[in-house]
Parts: sequence; structure tokens; C-alpha cells
Amino acid sequence: AQSVAQPEDQVNVAEGNPLTVKCTYSVSGNPYLFWYVQYPNRGLQFLLKYITGDNLVKGSYGFEAEFNKSQTSFHLKKPSALVSDSALYFCAVRDQRIGGNMLTFGGGTRLMVKP
Amino acid sequence: NAGVTQTPKFQVLKTGQSMTLQCAQDMNHEYMSWYRQDPGMGLRLIHYSVGAGITDQGEVPNGYNVSRSTTEDFPLRLLSAAPSQTSVYFCASSRLTGIGGENTIYFGEGSWLTVV
Repeated sequence: AQSVAQPEDQVNVAEGNPLTVKCTYSVSGNPYLFWYVQYPNRGLQFLLKYITGDNLVKGSYGFEAEFNKSQTSFHLKKPSALVSDSALYFCAVRDQRIGGNMLTFGGGTRLMVKP
Repeated sequence: NAGVTQTPKFQVLKTGQSMTLQCAQDMNHEYMSWYRQDPGMGLRLIHYSVGAGITDQGEVPNGYNVSRSTTEDFPLRLLSAAPSQTSVYFCASSRLTGIGGENTIYFGEGSWLTVV
């Protein structure tokens, strides 16, 4: 079975400060890891993914995520937050050993960036 | 460049009514799926399909039916709506991947359903 935990329901950060949204995962094999963002009343937009290779993955809108196999984590980061980054963020995982496309999602973390 | 299109975006139903959420994609993706999103629970898989004529259950299939008569369309039917089905529903699609393969999944804009 695969699972994802996002331990923080909400993260508050001031504009211009760095932000981190945490994600830990559990899979039997090697993971594919994803971050999606959801703006109010909108669908999920793909931000970035880890498949293999460099542990630091760069994605859209200046976001990046660091894959840490020993800590089974895939935290989302951004050096300088913008008010427009305020949204709901989802981490998702899929076991590479399993064919198909079913993702398991975390519960989501609401990011609030204050001016 | 439509991607994944869901209709309707908002719907209010009375308990016991039936309805169909429509989903269409124009990317010739084999894989399509329906998720529901509830606060604090992330997205949970309802049903999925790996191609026309093939469907299967996900994590929370009860109360929902699907069919896949064409590659493009994957409607979700609520047979007798219940307040527990109040949720946001997302349709998704991607290329079908085998073991060791990976494809990004694309989501529709969502359908907000309230059952009263």
C-alpha cells in the first residue's frame, strides 16, 4: 500500500520569506512523487514531479522540492513567497513497481502568504 | 487546447435524485479517473478506466457508476444522491503507463456538488 502525509493543515508565511510545505510518503518500492496546487474554485494544477535523478526538482512558479529517500520526504519549497502563492497544495505518490496511473494524495496543506 | 473538461461546475441536488457529471478529454489519453475531494482527506479515487470499454473501482466506489464507451468521455453517475456525496469531484486523464513508466496526470477544473 502507498500513503502520503502532509502534517500541517495550514502554513502561514510573510511575503518575501521562504516557505516550506512538508510531505512524507510510504511505498513498498521506489516512488514517483508529485506536487499539485489548487487555487480557489479551480482544478488541480501540476507543479513538479520527482521520477529519478537529482534530488532537487525545480517546477513551475519558482517552486522546488527536495527528495530525501532516507527520511521518505518530498518537501515543497520556495525562496521568496508571493501573496499569489496562497492556495491549497497537495502531495501525491505512486509506487514505481505498480503499473497504471493511480495516485495517492495527502490531505492537503493550505498556504497563506500575508503581505 | 481544452485538456480535461468537466460539466457542470456547480450543482445542487435533492436527496434521492440522480445525475451525471460529464468529463471529456481531447488528448487521446487511455487512462481516465474520477476523484472526490473532501476537507482534510485529499483526493480519493472513485473509479478509473484504462481504455474504452474497461472500468474498475477505486477506493470509494459505492453510490457511483461509470462507463467508457469512447476514449474521450468518462461520465460519472450518481444513482440516488445522498448528503454524504456532497463533495468536489475531479476528473483526470493521462497516458497509460506500465510498470516503471510515468506520466503526468491532468485534472479538470472540478465539479462542486451539494446534496440537500
